[in-house]
Order: sequence, then C-alpha cells, then structure tokens
Amino acid sequence: QQQVKQSPQSLIVQKGGISIINCAYENTAFDYFPWYQQFPGKGPALLIAIRPDVSEKKEGRFTISFNKSAKQFSLHIMDSQPGDSATYFCAARSEGSRLTFGEGTQLTVNP
Amino acid sequence: GAVVSQHPSRVICKSGTSVKIECRSLDFQATTMFWYRQFPKQSLMLMATSNEGSKATYEQGVEKDKFLINHASLTLSTLTVTSAHPEDSSFYICSARNPGSSLGSIYFGEGSWLTVV
Repeated sequence: QQQVKQSPQSLIVQKGGISIINCAYENTAFDYFPWYQQFPGKGPALLIAIRPDVSEKKEGRFTISFNKSAKQFSLHIMDSQPGDSATYFCAARSEGSRLTFGEGTQLTVNP
Repeated sequence: GAVVSQHPSRVICKSGTSVKIECRSLDFQATTMFWYRQFPKQSLMLMATSNEGSKATYEQGVEKDKFLINHASLTLSTLTVTSAHPEDSSFYICSARNPGSSLGSIYFGEGSWLTVV
C-alpha cells in the first residue's frame, strides 16, 4: 500500500519535445506529491509539488497533472532541453513526512 | 528554495573505522530529518527518521548500532557509520521538511559519497 509505481524506466526525447513521466499510488492517505530531479552524483532537487486537492500545477516548463480518483499523477516537461537530461523521481508523502519514492525515470533529451 | 547542506561531500575511510556525515538545514528549523541511502541507478532507500531531541526511528533491516543518528539541534543531524566495511560504501543523502513552506516541502542535501577501503 506504500508503493509508488513510476513509468517509464527510461525515456528518450528530442529537443523541443514533451517529456511525460507517470506515477501511480495506492495509499489514499498521501498528502503531498513532489517530483525531484537528480543529476549524477548529486542529491535530488525539488522540482515541483502538488497537493491532492489540486488537479494541475504549472511552473515554467514543468507541469504536474493529478488525478485523485485514478490515484495517478504525472510530470510533463514542455520544450525539453538537453540540460533536462537527468533522473526524475516522483514521491508521495505520508504521516510523519515520510516520502515514498518511485523507481525513477532516466530522461535523455537529444540535441 | 530552502537549502539543506551535507558535509563532507566525499569521504574515504579505512575498513573498521567510523565516519560522520553532517546534515544542516541552513535557512529553516527542522524538527525531523531523514537519512537515505542510494545505490547506483536505484531509487532512494529510507534508512531512518531523525527526531530533534529524541531517538531516531530506523527502518526495518537497518542496523541502529551501525548507523548512529544524532539530532542535537533543530538545524543539525549527524549520521555516523561505525566500524565501516566496504559494503557500506554508498551515496548517503539527508532531507528535511521546511515547516514554513506552504506545502511543507521536503528538501534534500547534496549527498555524501562514502567509500570504505
């Protein structure tokens, strides 16, 4: 019940394209859904986050879409750039601020 | 965004020795911090929850006597790997929740690479 499933495992997109990463969860008690971007050898950086009472949040080129009834949420990266190439993790927060992470998606944006 | 800092970023120690990693919240107070371990090309694995002024809560399978956690102040938590062995070599990352943010956002440190030789 604590799992967060993320797909795809890897994604290759052309520069200027849209990158879409999906996550699904089971625990309805999760109250906060962040996305993190991680470059090799670095800690995860908070990219964007949403609460379950909001269906969409946009910050610059990054958008979270949230479907509470389906228990799914996704990250959309518009106008993808080579500098966006990194590993992306979705996560969900439960009681006590514990984060459960997805398995990660390795994004490659080709020039 | 809020900043969480870790030190050292890289450390090499001999097998059998102990090494301490510090995690600091630089611009907010964190009553709770978290320690993760990450293996190459894998997701983050929660090791323990560090609570200011009280004992840490360890995840199942994590040896509390091997990974000592101290959260002595609202801005500092430390992880000490005792009697380190080569299998302890890994990337260790801490995180903290910023209670002042509207979403209670959780921020991560830069991580610490531990190599045990």
